[in-house]
Amino acid sequence: GDSVTQMEGPVTLSEEAFLTINCTYTATGYPSLFWYVQYPGEGLQLLLKATKADDKGSNKGFEATYRKETTSFHLEKGSVQVSDSAVYFCALSEGPGGSYIPTFGRGTSLIVHP
Amino acid sequence: NAGVTQTPKFRVLKTGQSMTLLCAQDMNHEYMYWYRQDPGMGLRLIHYSVGEGTTAKGEVPDGYNVSRLKKQNFLLGLESAAPSQTSVYFCASSRGQGARVQHFGDGTRLSIL
Repeated sequence: GDSVTQMEGPVTLSEEAFLTINCTYTATGYPSLFWYVQYPGEGLQLLLKATKADDKGSNKGFEATYRKETTSFHLEKGSVQVSDSAVYFCALSEGPGGSYIPTFGRGTSLIVHP
Repeated sequence: NAGVTQTPKFRVLKTGQSMTLLCAQDMNHEYMYWYRQDPGMGLRLIHYSVGEGTTAKGEVPDGYNVSRLKKQNFLLGLESAAPSQTSVYFCASSRGQGARVQHFGDGTRLSIL
């Protein structure tokens, strides 16, 4: 079946540091890939997505590129802020004819210090 | 624009009691999901629905029942609550086509004593 593996946290950074959170996946077919973010006490919300190979999703300074050859979708940000402290989930969803059930990674906690 | 609304937000139950969690979405989404989130376990799918009147089991369905009598509502029931069901419960919805972005509610924090 499908699976998503992301690096374990917590990831602890100082403000303005560079962020990378690794995510790799296994899937049949051609899934869409997502990063969701969860702030304390809230539900998950979409951060960015990519629907086909070589697409780059971006939002709020975060970026991730759909790499089919390495089955990866790593999340990056050039300069993190304290307000980016949250839990980040990598996920995939299969296309038409595939499973109705999305697959989530276990989440990576990011802590940014001033 | 409400999106996905979960009620209640907090609840404390005694072992053996029953309750129903309500999820309502106003985006006309076909698919709806119930997850539980526990420390170190990520999100685990309990049940899901791909349309009005249909439901299916997810990864951890035991001890829960669901119903989707109306397209906009998805109810999660605990018939006889157990301490192991203490968790944060999230409802999500998505379109049936396209990238199927999941839209989440803010969760229900449930404690079983």
